[in-house]
Amino acid sequence: AQSVTQLDSHVSVSEGTPVLLRCNYSSSYSPSLFWYVQHPNKGLQLLLKYTSAATLVKGINGFEAEFKKSETSFHLTKPSAHMSDAAEYFCVVSSEYGNKLVFGAGTILRVKS
Amino acid sequence: GAGVSQSPSNKVTEKGKDVELRCDPISGHTALYWYRQSLGQGLEFLIYFQGNSAPDKSGLPSDRFSAERTGGSVSTLTIQRTQQEDSAVYLCASSARTGGALMLSPLHFGNGTRLTVT
Repeated sequence: AQSVTQLDSHVSVSEGTPVLLRCNYSSSYSPSLFWYVQHPNKGLQLLLKYTSAATLVKGINGFEAEFKKSETSFHLTKPSAHMSDAAEYFCVVSSEYGNKLVFGAGTILRVKS
Repeated sequence: GAGVSQSPSNKVTEKGKDVELRCDPISGHTALYWYRQSLGQGLEFLIYFQGNSAPDKSGLPSDRFSAERTGGSVSTLTIQRTQQEDSAVYLCASSARTGGALMLSPLHFGNGTRLTVT
């Protein structure tokens, strides 16, 4: 079975400083991994996805994530936080046959001015 | 174009009552999913419909929960004899899955229905 652990339930950064949201996964096969974002009172939106191509994945709004198999990690980063980045972020792994997504518990990102 | 639409956006019900939640997926999307998001929890898979195949109901928490998808489009999630622990945001998502895995067809989520059982 697959599982996802988001290591921080809350992260607070100042505007203009780097963002790091940590995610570790467990899977018995080569997984597909995703990051989704949910802004307040909005639906979930796909930020980026890893599907066994390049290990460094670039997404929307300047976010990127690096797949590290040796560390079973898929951390989300952004060089410079913007106020509009304040939201909840979910790290997600797909099931072996790709028909289900398993979501982490989420990390709430707060951006201070 | 129109995204995934869910109704109602908010539902308050008394313990023991039945509720129906509706999802209108994106037109042409063959795959439809229901998830539940409880306070402080991650998203919990409930049920998955793909075309005319038998649905994957493995995530439904009890036999009080059921879902159907009529005509391969609109879906309703029904919770019978609601309990306070059913309070959560229920999210519907669809994808244009055409036989490939989810990596090829990302999910599009609705804004959810916030269910409160008093």
